[in-house]
Amino acid sequence: GNSVTQMEGPVTLSEEAFLTINCTYTATGYPSLFWYVQYPGEGLQLLLKATKADDKGSNKGFEATYRKETTSFHLEKGSVQVSDSAVYFCALSVNNFNKFYFGSGTKLNVKP
Amino acid sequence: NAGVTQTPKFQVLKTGQSMTLQCAQDMNHEYMSWYRQDPGMGLRLIHYSVGAGITDQGEVPNGYNVSRSTTEDFPLRLLSAAPSQTSVYFCASSPSGSGGYNEQFFGPGTRLTVL
Repeated sequence: GNSVTQMEGPVTLSEEAFLTINCTYTATGYPSLFWYVQYPGEGLQLLLKATKADDKGSNKGFEATYRKETTSFHLEKGSVQVSDSAVYFCALSVNNFNKFYFGSGTKLNVKP
Repeated sequence: NAGVTQTPKFQVLKTGQSMTLQCAQDMNHEYMSWYRQDPGMGLRLIHYSVGAGITDQGEVPNGYNVSRSTTEDFPLRLLSAAPSQTSVYFCASSPSGSGGYNEQFFGPGTRLTVL
């Protein structure tokens, strides 16, 4: 079936530290991959996406590369800020359909 | 544009009561969906619609009904609330055409407690 597995949190980092949140997936067809971010008390917002193998999505200093050989889409940022504190969700859609599958979310806490 | 709006923001129900969670979007999106968010489980798809008059079940549809009479509105009905339906509910919409390449736009959520 289709599913997403991401690392459990919470992840606690100091400001300016390097961030990696791991995400792996299984898909019965051809997946598109997404990272969404949820700030406290708000709905989810798209952070970045990649629609084919070896594509790199990037936004606001965050990056993730679609690795077909390892079925992964890890989220990275070189220097986190306190304002990056949020819950991050990895998600996929399969075969160009609008049906999305979400991971369980990883909470990031950044301390000043 | 208001984007995706949801009402109410908070609701407390007693077991067995019914209610409707409202969702509306003003972006002329054809695709709309309902998710529930539970601790440690991420978002799970309840029902979705690919256009007015067309709905289908998602991953966890039991206990919920939907209808889509207009492009703008996609209400979620709980016919007989149960404590297991205590959750945060999100509505989302996205344009059609490019299918799964499209960004989903989420509403602010409804926090539902069933006693």
